[in-house]
This record gives sequence, C-alpha cells and structure tokens, in this order.
Amino acid sequence: DQQVKQNSPSLSVQEGRISILNCDYTNSMFDYFLWYKKYPAEGPTFLISISSIKDKNEDGRFTVFLNKSAKHLSLHIVPSQPGDSAVYFCAAGDSNYQLIWGAGTKLIIKP
Amino acid sequence: DVKVTQSSRYLVKRTGEKVFLECVQDMDHENMFWYRQDPGLGLRLIYFSYDVKMKEKGDIPEGYSVSREKKERFSLILESASTNQTSMYLCASSLDGYGYTFGSGTRLTVV
Repeated sequence: DQQVKQNSPSLSVQEGRISILNCDYTNSMFDYFLWYKKYPAEGPTFLISISSIKDKNEDGRFTVFLNKSAKHLSLHIVPSQPGDSAVYFCAAGDSNYQLIWGAGTKLIIKP
Repeated sequence: DVKVTQSSRYLVKRTGEKVFLECVQDMDHENMFWYRQDPGLGLRLIYFSYDVKMKEKGDIPEGYSVSREKKERFSLILESASTNQTSMYLCASSLDGYGYTFGSGTRLTVV
C-alpha cells in the first residue's frame, strides 16, 4: 500500500507557464515533506522541503504548498524553464528520519 | 559539497553471479542508504545503516545483503543475481535529518 502517491506519471507544460506537481499521502504522522529532482543517469537532488507546521515554503521559482487536512502537497514552478524538465519525486519523512517516496512525475517543458 | 560516489555507472551481470555495488561518501556522514528505482515504483529502500557495522532492512531486502566495515563505505551485495534485480541502484548518505545526498546511480542489467 503506497503511503505517498504521485498520481500523474507525466506532465507537459509550455515554457514560461506554471507547472503544478501533486502529491498525496496517507500517514498523518509524517512531519516533513521534500521534493527531489532527478535528471536521467543522475541521482536525485534536493529541491525544496516543508515542515508539517507550515503550509507554504518558497524558494525562488519553486513553492511548495501543504494541505494537512487533505493530506496533499503540491510543487509550483513559475515560470517553467526548459532546464526544469526532469522527474520530480515527492518524499515524506517520519520521526526516524526515513523517507517514503512517491513514484515520481516526469515533467516535460515544451519550448 | 558532499560527494557520494558509486563505483560503476553501468553493469551487466549474468544470472547467478554474485554482484558487489560499492558506495563511498566523503563527508563523514553517519547514515547511508541503498535504494532501487524502477519505473512507476519510485525509490524503494533496500537496506540502511546508521553506523559502522550496523545495518537495518528496508522495505525490499530479499536477495540483498550489505556491508559497512568503514564509515565512508556502504556496499550492496546481490548474493545470486536474478533478472528481476535489473534496476537502477541509488546510494545516499545523510548526516542527520532529511538532507539526503545521492550518488549518480548504477544501472544494473542481469541477463
């Protein structure tokens, strides 16, 4: 049973527009959420995170929103750039500092 | 910057072979992890270690073992490789918390 779900395997967005990637989780004990970005033939790299005591965290073009009542988080990228084309993984952390990962969403930015 | 180095980018092994995947980190991190990444399944934890000579099973340890004789090195061993172990293998390390740093991955093909 997947505790962290990314229901969209892929997403295609025009360059310059907003990209919205979604993630749902089932375990209300998760206290930290992260987004990682992965290019082909490379390991995932950390992008942005949010603690469960917050509902929004912003870093440049990247904003993560957390809705605890809906057990849902989203990553907004504005404006989208060609270099943003990658696979994005959502991960949730428990009190033991282990991460539970979603299946990933492949983002394609069209010129 | 923390560097996590995986010894091979690509490996092709025969069914039944014993396979060693090596991972070395250079920043004195306590925690090290082995994941496999498969399309549609995200990252699944195989084994992890919080200290030298310590190991813990992750979600999918069957068919794998690990060794951590030195703090900087965490080895994944496939005792008898099978075709269903064809995958991308990712090693990660962290000092504490959720700040995982990943290696570039090893694409293993078992024929």
